[in-house]
Amino acid sequence: SQQGEEDPQALSIQEGENATMNCSYKTSINNLQWYRQNSGRGLVHLILIRSNEREKHSGRLRVTLDTSKKSSSLLITASRAADTASYFCATDAEYGGATNKLIFGTGTLLAVQP
Amino acid sequence: KAGVTQTPRYLIKTRGQQVTLSCSPISGHRSVSWYQQTPGQGLQFLFEYFSETQRNKGNFPGRFSGRQFSNSRSEMNVSTLELGDSALYLCASSLYVGLDYGYTFGSGTRLTVV
Repeated sequence: SQQGEEDPQALSIQEGENATMNCSYKTSINNLQWYRQNSGRGLVHLILIRSNEREKHSGRLRVTLDTSKKSSSLLITASRAADTASYFCATDAEYGGATNKLIFGTGTLLAVQP
Repeated sequence: KAGVTQTPRYLIKTRGQQVTLSCSPISGHRSVSWYQQTPGQGLQFLFEYFSETQRNKGNFPGRFSGRQFSNSRSEMNVSTLELGDSALYLCASSLYVGLDYGYTFGSGTRLTVV
């Protein structure tokens, strides 16, 4: 079963606009990660935020984490057509444990129109 | 450096057959995890291997098995294929277990069962 639900399921915006995706999860976590997937290919790691962090930036990406609400958001600023992809959040499966098992959310399909 | 290599990229098999998929992690990485991605169930964890030992297994039937070799390369096997096994199979590699950084995924093997 999936840990997270992502919202919205699909998002269509114009180039230059900002895109915001939200992820909710169910259990305590060590960290939360965001991945991008282009057209059913492999996943590309975007950013990781630890449970004791509230916000993190990487280039045009901004991630926030609210552990009290068990939610995270990914903001892509000044979007480009090349940002068109599916975006997934993922959490580690065992809080406090040592595992490389990830539990993925349902994903948000982002379409950036040129 | 070379990324995670999965072979083959595409595979078509008949119901009842078996299949073996291969994953070569990034050089030096000792952990390999496998995931199944389908439109209905999303990304689901299959197995996790570290130093030739299975550390974790997802909720899949015994027809799904895997192993890791001394050079960290990993294989997964699915026996008695069913139509529902059609999916994109992804593997991810990482240096150790439980570190706070993202994982590197291969491009996947697209398995179609007819």
